[in-house]
Amino acid sequence: GEDVEQSLFLSVREGDSSVINCTYTDSSSTYLYWYKQEPGAGLQLLTYIFSNMDMKQDQRLTVLLNKKDKHLSLRIADTQTGDSAIYFCAESIGNSGYALNFGKGTSLLVTP
Amino acid sequence: NAGVTQTPKFRVLKTGQSMTLLCAQDMNHEYMYWYRQDPGMGLRLIHYSVGEGTTAKGEVPDGYNVSRLKKQNFLLGLESAAPSQTSVYFCASSRYTEAFFGQGTRLTVV
Repeated sequence: GEDVEQSLFLSVREGDSSVINCTYTDSSSTYLYWYKQEPGAGLQLLTYIFSNMDMKQDQRLTVLLNKKDKHLSLRIADTQTGDSAIYFCAESIGNSGYALNFGKGTSLLVTP
Repeated sequence: NAGVTQTPKFRVLKTGQSMTLLCAQDMNHEYMYWYRQDPGMGLRLIHYSVGEGTTAKGEVPDGYNVSRLKKQNFLLGLESAAPSQTSVYFCASSRYTEAFFGQGTRLTVV
């Protein structure tokens, strides 16, 4: 599919907020997702947002969706060293069950 | 509560050999998927299934075949492995919006 774009790296200090940005491609995508992958592990769903919403908050996570610009962001408040991982943005692919088109991932490094 | 289990976890193949990767889920999910993950490429969809007995092609299906004879299992086959198929393979399943991923199979083709 077409590319879902993410910045490749982000480094933050422990306790700061992290913001990971994503630009997706398909304006008809029904759901947009954020997944987390730790080294050597599978993907863990962090949160997802329905396309008719513009914000979703879940504890330390805030997702913002700008459908006009096809821009999705994930904000992690009070970032901890355990948040260091790769974060993937993904969009649902129409007419394929709930298959996903992933970005290349943003590697988040949290330093003490 | 196993979730999604992939077998094997690691495998080294010689060029031209064949193998089957097994994915099993115990959540009674209708939808199952196979992705591959390559460095700097994110995950790309190989094949997917929307129910027992059905399969469909994803973004990168060439060189792979799949079968979904039982609802809980989704098999990914490589008939004649090539070095370009060296990758980490992830299986996932979902009922609706939330997909659960296995731990991955690291395949090296030499």
